[in-house]
Amino acid sequence: DTEVTQTPKHLVMGMTNKKSLKCEQHMGHRAMYWYKQKAKKPPELMFVYSYEKLSINESVPSRFSPECPNSSLLNLHLHALQPEDSALYLCASSLGTGGLNTEAFFGQGTRLTVV
Amino acid sequence: EDQVTQSPEALRLQEGESSSLNCSYTVSGLRGLFWYRQDPGKGPEFLFTLYSAGEEKEKERLKATLTKKESFLHITAPKPEDSATYLCAVRLSGANNLFFGTGTRLTVIP
Repeated sequence: DTEVTQTPKHLVMGMTNKKSLKCEQHMGHRAMYWYKQKAKKPPELMFVYSYEKLSINESVPSRFSPECPNSSLLNLHLHALQPEDSALYLCASSLGTGGLNTEAFFGQGTRLTVV
Repeated sequence: EDQVTQSPEALRLQEGESSSLNCSYTVSGLRGLFWYRQDPGKGPEFLFTLYSAGEEKEKERLKATLTKKESFLHITAPKPEDSATYLCAVRLSGANNLFFGTGTRLTVIP
């Protein structure tokens, strides 16, 4: 089973709303990622959690707040977003980040529209 | 500066017309090169991992190869269902990130 589950699949939110994106995996992976993807562009890293600790934050605005409650769950809390934040948000996981077996498996994404 | 470049940007093939996609990289310390397939509006689907020069992996009509400077994704006798964007990504020494190239949009015409 190489499944990463993201909810919701679609989200429309106003600029004053607070919402959360959720991601879950049951593959025993210890690294989880949030990526942002704009149309016809490659995924861009936002956050990496390794063993439930935030290890990379690629200078993402504070209106995005990640949370890793346990090794199977990853959330992305959204607050006061801007229309330019509209994108496909992808969650991924990998067994680890070093050595072999570091391929990342992606969820189907959440299509976010900020109005 | 670390760079990953994919070419061509877009490729149109007739069904059955074999071709290759290129992923060139200039990085300091490669810890793995990965190929993904992405359909519109979906998450990337993992295809292959390559770790060292000379390594090859195959799956159905796809074959991935790796040299010290580039990787190729060979598509043999493609079918319309192979139409997608193909992304390569690298994992660098000392980094937890997967860094993606810009992708090749493949269209296979019946």
